[in-house]
Amino acid sequence: DQQVKQNSPSLSVQEGRISILNCDYTNSMFDYFLWYKKYPAEGPTFLISISSIKDKNEDGRFTVFLNKSAKHLSLHIVPSQPGDSAVYFCAASRLGSGSARQLTFGSGTQLTVLP
Amino acid sequence: DSGVTQTPKHLITATGQRVTLRCSPRSGDLSVYWYQQSLDQGLQFLIQYYNGEERAKGNILERFSAQQFPDLHSELNLSSLELGDSALYFCASSLALSTDTQYFGPGTRLTVL
Repeated sequence: DQQVKQNSPSLSVQEGRISILNCDYTNSMFDYFLWYKKYPAEGPTFLISISSIKDKNEDGRFTVFLNKSAKHLSLHIVPSQPGDSAVYFCAASRLGSGSARQLTFGSGTQLTVLP
Repeated sequence: DSGVTQTPKHLITATGQRVTLRCSPRSGDLSVYWYQQSLDQGLQFLIQYYNGEERAKGNILERFSAQQFPDLHSELNLSSLELGDSALYFCASSLALSTDTQYFGPGTRLTVL
């Protein structure tokens, strides 16, 4: 049962254009969402996050949008740069048993930014 | 550099063997998490420790166990290894029990032959 889904395994974008990565979730108990970037042979790196009480969060070239009614979030990268080429993971957080926070990850989207 | 360290970087072993993966969290972080990433899959949560105590369990096999020591480093023990256990194993840490943002180490690539 995949509670967090990234339906596009890959995305190619021209340098300077906008990259839009999408993520859908099914569990309404998720109340915090994160995006991680992963380069080969490295661990995931935290990129940006958003609380369920907001619908947008911006940090430089990266903006995350949350549509709670549709259970959908997206990551916009503007402008895209070749160094942004990586696998992007969407993650959703909820409070579990014993007051512990748990992250559930999507399967990732490989972004390739073409020069 | 996230500040989370993992050793070893690579591990090659045979079926039936036992291995131990080690993780040191970021300075000041009390929570440690272990994840498994198999080929072409997302990260699967295995287990969480907070200040030495197990606090959450995910899809962790009975052949796997973990602990967190008084100095807050953690070890993941994998025993009776099978070919399907070949994967990347990531450790992550966060400041507190209920902190959302986790910071990941570089991972240990385990190959079971």
